[in-house]
Amino acid sequence: RKEVEQDPGPFNVPEGATVAFNCTYSNSASQSFFWYRQDCRKEPKLLMSVYSSGNEDGRFTAQLNRASQYISLLIRDSKLSDSATYLCVVTTYNNNDMRFGAGTRLTVKP
Amino acid sequence: EPEVTQTPSHQVTQMGQEVILRCVPISNHLYFYWYRQILGQKVEFLVSFYNNEISEKSEIFDDQFSVERPDGSNFTLKIRSTKLEDSAMYFCASTIQGLIYGYTFGSGTRLTVV
Repeated sequence: RKEVEQDPGPFNVPEGATVAFNCTYSNSASQSFFWYRQDCRKEPKLLMSVYSSGNEDGRFTAQLNRASQYISLLIRDSKLSDSATYLCVVTTYNNNDMRFGAGTRLTVKP
Repeated sequence: EPEVTQTPSHQVTQMGQEVILRCVPISNHLYFYWYRQILGQKVEFLVSFYNNEISEKSEIFDDQFSVERPDGSNFTLKIRSTKLEDSAMYFCASTIQGLIYGYTFGSGTRLTVV
């Protein structure tokens, strides 16, 4: 089983749509979880941390289910500027560093 | 907003040559990392560095690779005897405390080995 697995995508959605990405992780000892966004040929940028109780930042909502080792990201009212690859990131067993999923590509169309 | 700075942005080198990729982490950060991303593939962990020593390294980070923090500000990745398959984007990252804040990445160095 891969350390971090994501929906492969790509997701092609119209502006205004709601889209959800899923991610599963294999290490039950992982403590911290993040969603990063990566634009083409650019560095990953932190979108949001994922907390046990779930958290929201504007149009973005992240959820964590530790029992199922599952993380999700919901984007409401998609904008053209949301087009990017979304990376699920999980800390390692000793929490010294992070492991990235392969990413889910989102294209929002007019 | 503080940035992680990487130089050069693009490096072309001949197979077998040594390259040094440079990074200036954010000044009050304590943990430093190198990741790489082969075109079209996922971001892969190479090495983490804390308290002037390697804290963890991946299987990719073999004897061909080394890291150094020579002067308290720069953080370098050296690749000896480069191979074609070393061609990738190399990202430096730093954090005060990754568990809470995540990492800040530099804009990367695109290494092309010919």
